[in-house]
Amino acid sequence: ELKVEQNPLFLSMQEGKNYTIYCNYSTTSDRLYWYRQDPGKSLESLFVLLSNGAVKQEGRLMASLDTKARLSTLHITAAVHDLSATYFCAVTQGAQKLVFGQGTRLTINP
Amino acid sequence: NAGVMQNPRHLVRRRGQEARLRCSPMKGHSHVYWYRQLPEEGLKFMVYLQKENIIDESGMPKERFSAEFPKEGPSILRIQQVVRGDSAAYFCASSRTVESAKNIQYFGAGTRLSVL
Repeated sequence: ELKVEQNPLFLSMQEGKNYTIYCNYSTTSDRLYWYRQDPGKSLESLFVLLSNGAVKQEGRLMASLDTKARLSTLHITAAVHDLSATYFCAVTQGAQKLVFGQGTRLTINP
Repeated sequence: NAGVMQNPRHLVRRRGQEARLRCSPMKGHSHVYWYRQLPEEGLKFMVYLQKENIIDESGMPKERFSAEFPKEGPSILRIQQVVRGDSAAYFCASSRTVESAKNIQYFGAGTRLSVL
């Protein structure tokens, strides 16, 4: 059974600092996604990573994928308050089903 | 281009009643997925449908839950005889294709079901 684990589950950090969220998954998958969820809202797609060594960046967020280690990272650079949210990674099982991690609740303090 | 539309946004039911959750996929999308999110947890896959067909229902409870995606109209997730444990946020997602590079699932705003 495919399992996806994120850490940390809770992260409180100050504005301007850098940090990394980790996502490990247990079996081979051909796609990894990062989503953002604000309280009471839906999930917003951030990144889709398809191949080993893939790196994508959008603003202060950068995601990378190491398929050999079954590890993805979401790096936050010089955090700002607007990035406070819960971040989920998800991998595909079969062609379509997404298996989600538990989520990392990120709080950025002024 | 409207996104994935779910209604209602909030639904309150008493134990034993039926809950019907609706999902209209994005325009041009023929693949629909339902997920359930319990408080403080990630989303759990329930079912994957294409028009008029259930492709994968491995995440659906065996009893009381059913889903359909008719030729015309929205996808429906139906929960019969609801119990308190059914209280959760139910998210629908849609995608245009299942090809690797293009299969991004876009999520609706969710239906928050509360069972009293």
